[in-house]
Amino acid sequence: AQKVTQAQTEISVVEKEDVTLDCVYETRDTTYYLFWYKQPPSGELVFLIRRNSFDEQNEISGRYSWNFQKSTSSFNFTITASQVVDSAVYFCALILTDSWGKFQFGAGTQVVVTP
Amino acid sequence: DVKVTQSSRYLVKRTGEKVFLECVQDMDHENMFWYRQDPGLGLRLIYFSYDVKMKEKGDIPEGYSVSREKKERFSLILESASTNQTSMYLCASSLSGRDEQYFGPGTRLTVT
Repeated sequence: AQKVTQAQTEISVVEKEDVTLDCVYETRDTTYYLFWYKQPPSGELVFLIRRNSFDEQNEISGRYSWNFQKSTSSFNFTITASQVVDSAVYFCALILTDSWGKFQFGAGTQVVVTP
Repeated sequence: DVKVTQSSRYLVKRTGEKVFLECVQDMDHENMFWYRQDPGLGLRLIYFSYDVKMKEKGDIPEGYSVSREKKERFSLILESASTNQTSMYLCASSLSGRDEQYFGPGTRLTVT
């Protein structure tokens, strides 16, 4: 069975600091998709990125970047120069390519950015 | 703008009551999902549906049932609510069963 671990329960930073959120996954399958979502205080999860297991290129989108390392089964997320609006719970998720609809989410990491 | 709406943001029910949570999406998505979110446990899949009248159990289906009579609507039913079903319930939809999901704002259910 697959599993997603987000070991950091809460991270507190001061504005403009960088913050890295860890995501470690377990699966015996070689083909899968990984996701990150943001849940702001309003409650609605917002999709950030999807990455398939064949694509290990790192990705950057504005202040967000993702580091996918198959060798360590990790898909880490970095927010550069954090802002108060980045305060949210962030979830990592996994789905196997041959598994329709059965997403596995991590427990989430609460990020608190103070001015 | 894509939208997933849930019938209530907050709901308080008594033990033993039958509870209906409704979810509607306007994106013509085939797949719809119900999750519950609890602190420290993340999101856990209760049920999902890949087509009208079709459903699959998720990781924690016990005590719940679902109904999908129309493509845009997916209902979660608690046949006899219990206090351990107090939680945040999130509905989502997606184009395929492996695509990114679009979530509703959630329903915080309290069973007393």
